[in-house]
Amino acid sequence: DGGITQSPKYLFRKEGQNVTLSCEQNLNHDAMYWYRQDPGQGLRLIYYSQIVNDFQKGDIAEGYSVSREKKESFPLTVTSAQKNPTAFYLCASSIGGGNIQYFGAGTRLSVL
Amino acid sequence: QQPVQSPQAVILREGEDAVINCSSSKALYSVHWYRQKHGEAPVFLMILLKGGEQKGHDKISASFNEKKQQSSLYLTASQLSYSGTYFCGTPNSNSGYALNFGKGTSLLVTP
Repeated sequence: DGGITQSPKYLFRKEGQNVTLSCEQNLNHDAMYWYRQDPGQGLRLIYYSQIVNDFQKGDIAEGYSVSREKKESFPLTVTSAQKNPTAFYLCASSIGGGNIQYFGAGTRLSVL
Repeated sequence: QQPVQSPQAVILREGEDAVINCSSSKALYSVHWYRQKHGEAPVFLMILLKGGEQKGHDKISASFNEKKQQSSLYLTASQLSYSGTYFCGTPNSNSGYALNFGKGTSLLVTP
């Protein structure tokens, strides 16, 4: 079955620690996205990538980093510079820009 | 840039109708609608690409008024399975590829 897989489902971060959230898709989509969801805030764009080896900052990129070395993978690193990382993180992909986005099941990140 | 959704929350009895609105301060060229069940991924409902376009799926339909820069989602004869949070998404003017999502409308359908 085609889809997007995010792991882990739950993640805990210690003070000063960097953590990486995994996102893999087998839909052969070119575009991939990372969103952050806080209660009552909707989804806010962190980073997006239109093609392999290329990515751009979204509206709230500070404290986050990404890579896009393979078409099917778009991992997100939450760095120690992100002072309020507790949130639900959603990865999505689409055939191209402006097209239907397919979402993964999400990773819930909490701070210890 | 975030579209504004209204109402924030709706409680319905099974079989009642609801309307969810999405408006933007900037020109709209397309509107996406998604539904998210608690703790799950958002799921695509429909996309409207032209002003005046209306679409429907089962008893859920939507309209897009380009001039008014708004879209509305209509849920007719609601079912328990319609419960969830509904988001509209509009193209992000900075990225072009990504979407700006509204804060969501929480819909609860009761027996």
